[in-house]
Amino acid sequence: GNSVTQMEGPVTLSEEAFLTINCTYTATGYPSLFWYVQYPGEGLQLLLKATKADDKGSNKGFEATYRKETTSFHLEKGSVQVSDSAVYFCALSDQETSGSRLTFGEGTQLTVNP
Amino acid sequence: GAVVSQHPSWVICKSGTSVKIECRSLDFQATTMFWYRQFPKQSLMLMATSNEGSKATYEQGVEKDKFLINHASLTLSTLTVTSAHPEDSSFYICSATGYDLGVRTEKETQYFGPGTRLLVL
Repeated sequence: GNSVTQMEGPVTLSEEAFLTINCTYTATGYPSLFWYVQYPGEGLQLLLKATKADDKGSNKGFEATYRKETTSFHLEKGSVQVSDSAVYFCALSDQETSGSRLTFGEGTQLTVNP
Repeated sequence: GAVVSQHPSWVICKSGTSVKIECRSLDFQATTMFWYRQFPKQSLMLMATSNEGSKATYEQGVEKDKFLINHASLTLSTLTVTSAHPEDSSFYICSATGYDLGVRTEKETQYFGPGTRLLVL
C-alpha cells in the first residue's frame, strides 16, 4: 500500500535559518505529491504540489522536488520566518490505486524563534 | 478561489445528543468530499469519502451509523455525529475536490475547510 514517512519533529529554528523537512514515500503507482501546512487551530492549506518526477513545486519561498529515484519530496526554505511556525504535512495521492484519497505523513511541527 | 467552509467552527454538546457539521465548497463544485478526524498533535485520519448523490464510503473501523454523512449537492456535505460521547471529542476537518475552470481548481487536489472542534461533555 501507499505510505508517507516524514522527518520527526519538533523542529526549532532561529529566524532566517535554512529549513529542510524530509519526506519519503512508498507507492505502487505514479503518485502526486503534496505539502500541506496547518497553522494552530486551523485546517490544512495546500503549500505546494508536484505531479510527476523531477517536477519542482514552489510557493512562498518553499520548494520541493519530486525525486522518483529516491522516492523523496523534501521541503526546503532558504530563510524561515516566525510566521512559518506551523505543522507541515507531506502527502501523496495515487489516482490509479486510490483515486483522490490522500495518504498523509505524521506531520512535522516547526517553531521559528525571533 | 477554491474555498471550503465549515460550520460551526466550535461546538460543545452534552453526551447523548447529536451534532451536525456542514462542509461547503463556496466557489467550485465539489464532486468528492472527504471527512477527517484529527487528535491533538497527530496526523489526519480519513473517516469517509462521499461523492455527490451517492452513499459515503467509510474507512475500516469507522461506524457508519454513528457518523452519518450526506452529500446531497455539489456544494454541501454534512457529517452528523449521533449520540455523541466524550470520546468523540475531536477536531473534524473536511476537504473537497472538484474541477472548475472559473476558480482554477485542480483535479485531485484536496482543498480543506478550517475544521470544527467538537467537545462532548
